[in-house]
Amino acid sequence: AQSVAQPEDQVNVAEGNPLTVKCTYSVSGNPYLFWYVQYPNRGLQFLLKYITGDNLVKGSYGFEAEFNKSQTSFHLKKPSALVSDSALYFCAVRDGDYGQNFVFGPGTRLSVLP
Amino acid sequence: GAVVSQHPSRVICKSGTSVKIECRSLDFQATTMFWYRQFPKQSLMLMATSNEGSKATYEQGVEKDKFLINHASLTLSTLTVTSAHPEDSSFYICSASSTGKLNTEAFFGQGTRLTVV
Repeated sequence: AQSVAQPEDQVNVAEGNPLTVKCTYSVSGNPYLFWYVQYPNRGLQFLLKYITGDNLVKGSYGFEAEFNKSQTSFHLKKPSALVSDSALYFCAVRDGDYGQNFVFGPGTRLSVLP
Repeated sequence: GAVVSQHPSRVICKSGTSVKIECRSLDFQATTMFWYRQFPKQSLMLMATSNEGSKATYEQGVEKDKFLINHASLTLSTLTVTSAHPEDSSFYICSASSTGKLNTEAFFGQGTRLTVV
């Protein structure tokens, strides 16, 4: 079985400061990892994914994430936060070897303060 | 990225009636579509997965006779909530993937807020 944990319900950061939203995962096979962002009453927007290759993945809106196999983590980062980044962020995993569907973490609400 | 359009964005219906939600992939062919339900301040709960031309695969605990899913073409899937009750009130989100491969991201519709009164 696969699972995703996002240990922080809420992350607050000042505008212009770097931000990190944490994600750890558990899968039996090869992990395929995704980050999505959700704005109020909207669906999810794809930010980035890690499938294979370079552990540092760059995505939309200046976001990046680092895959760490030993720590089973895939933390989302951005060097300089914007107020418009305030939203709900979901980490998701699929098991590349056992054909599972997306499993989403509980979400982390990011608030960027002006 | 690819665009998925979900309609309606909001719907209010009376208890006992049925409601249909449409999910369309506008600029790609969706081999696989997923339907989710999201409760307030919670993550997405997968309800069912459908592949074009096949019957949907429902997750455990989801009533297939209550939540009818049709994926008749590569660009359209529908979810019909039959005989809706107030406890069916929720935010429903569809997503679509252009391939059946696991390394492919899914693109999401904007969601439908269903309120059953």
